[in-house]
Amino acid sequence: GQNIDQPTEMTATEGAIVQINCTYQTSGFNGLFWYQQHAGEAPTFLSYNVLDGLEEKGRFSSFLSRSKGYSYLLLKELQMKDSASYLCAVKSDTGGFKTIFGAGTRLFVKA
Amino acid sequence: ETGVTQTPRHLVMGMTNKKSLKCEQHLGHNAMYWYKQSAKKPLELMFVYSLEERVENNSVPSRFSPECPNSSHLFLHLHTLQPEDSALYLCASSQDIGEETQYFGPGTRLLVL
Repeated sequence: GQNIDQPTEMTATEGAIVQINCTYQTSGFNGLFWYQQHAGEAPTFLSYNVLDGLEEKGRFSSFLSRSKGYSYLLLKELQMKDSASYLCAVKSDTGGFKTIFGAGTRLFVKA
Repeated sequence: ETGVTQTPRHLVMGMTNKKSLKCEQHLGHNAMYWYKQSAKKPLELMFVYSLEERVENNSVPSRFSPECPNSSHLFLHLHTLQPEDSALYLCASSQDIGEETQYFGPGTRLLVL
């Protein structure tokens, strides 16, 4: 079956670093996404990893280990506007085109 | 602004009503998607269209009927819905099927009474 796990909620302090983990069990793995979704708004694309390793993009970095079925999103120098849900999603090419989303991690950034 | 618009933004309907959700993308993309997002649940892919042809239908009940008249427009026709269909319905597009980045519209928040 297809399964994606990520923590439901996390809290961190402004200026700090937070790591949001995602583990997955899927067949036909073909890449992993992270999306950010503010309350009441559309998800917006943050990153896409298909090879093992760390991809850095400004304050946000995403890591993938295909052998371990594991990814994390690292947010540095947290700002209040980073309070949002972060969705981990896996692209699978088994049984046709599919992008499978996790339930999301709601991040609260406090002053 | 992601280049994907949806109307209406909010909709309240009775179980016997018929309504339609509209999505329009201004990005020149070839693939469009409907997702359902319920509270505290993962995004669920409902339908995928590529060049106006449906390529994916994830066991969605027939009370949801998609229509893609051209590559820029996507509709979701609703009839005889149930209260458990209340959710946020998101439209997305990508350059092609399998393209890594999907661009989402703001969604239609639907309440079925």
